[in-house]
Amino acid sequence: QVQLQESGPGLVKPSATLSLTCIVSGYSISSGYNWGWVRQPPGEGLEWIGSVYYNGDTYYNPSLESRVTISLDTSKNHFSVRLSSVTAADTAVYYCARGVEAYGIDAFEIWGQGTMVTVSS
Amino acid sequence: DIQMTQSPSTLSAYVGDRVTITCRASQSINRWLAWYQQKPGQAPKLLIYKVSSLESGVPSRFSGSGTGTEFTLTISSLQPDDFATYYCQQYNSYSTFGQGTKVEIK
Repeated sequence: QVQLQESGPGLVKPSATLSLTCIVSGYSISSGYNWGWVRQPPGEGLEWIGSVYYNGDTYYNPSLESRVTISLDTSKNHFSVRLSSVTAADTAVYYCARGVEAYGIDAFEIWGQGTMVTVSS
Repeated sequence: DIQMTQSPSTLSAYVGDRVTITCRASQSINRWLAWYQQKPGQAPKLLIYKVSSLESGVPSRFSGSGTGTEFTLTISSLQPDDFATYYCQQYNSYSTFGQGTKVEIK
C-alpha cells in the first residue's frame, strides 16, 4: 500500500524559503510515476505547484516557476519542494501526491494528508 | 495558461437526483481531464482521469464525458456520501484546476 506523508515546518517567516518533504512508503520513487505538489489556501481551491517525474524531469506552474524547486531523493525515497521569497499569499495546506499513470504531468491518484503552512512573522 | 471554468459554483440537490457538473477549458486539452471529490479537512480523492476512466474503487454512479474544451461529471443518483466539493483538473499543458463546485443538500 503506497502512502505519502508531508513533513516540514508549519510556520515560515516572510521572505524566507518554505521547504517541505514528502516521505513515500510502499513504492520506490525511482521506479516510476509523477510525484507532485498541490496547495490550497484556506477556504479556496486547489493550485498545482509542480511535479517531478521519476527520471528527474521537472515541471512547474508558470506562475511559481521563478520561486519553486522540486527534487527527488531516491536514497531516502522522498521528494521535496522549496518555495523561495514567501509572502502571506503562500499560506496554504500543501499536499504531495503521486500520479495515476506514467506521464510527466498527470492526474493525482494517491495523496498525502496535507500540511498547513502559515507565512507570518 | 489554460484556464478551467466550472459551473455551477454551488449546486443544491436531493438524495437520488441526477447531478451534472460542467468544466470548460480555455483551449483544447484533448482527453487530459480529471475529476476529484474533496470533503472538509480531507485531501482530494481522484474519481475520474482521462475524461472517462473510473478510478479503482469509485462507485459506478460517477461518470465523465466530453472532449476538447467541454467536459462533464455526472452522478447518476446522488448519495449522502456525495455531498462535497468537486474539482476538475487539466493536465494537457502543465496543470490547472477548476475553481470547484460545492454540492449541497437541498
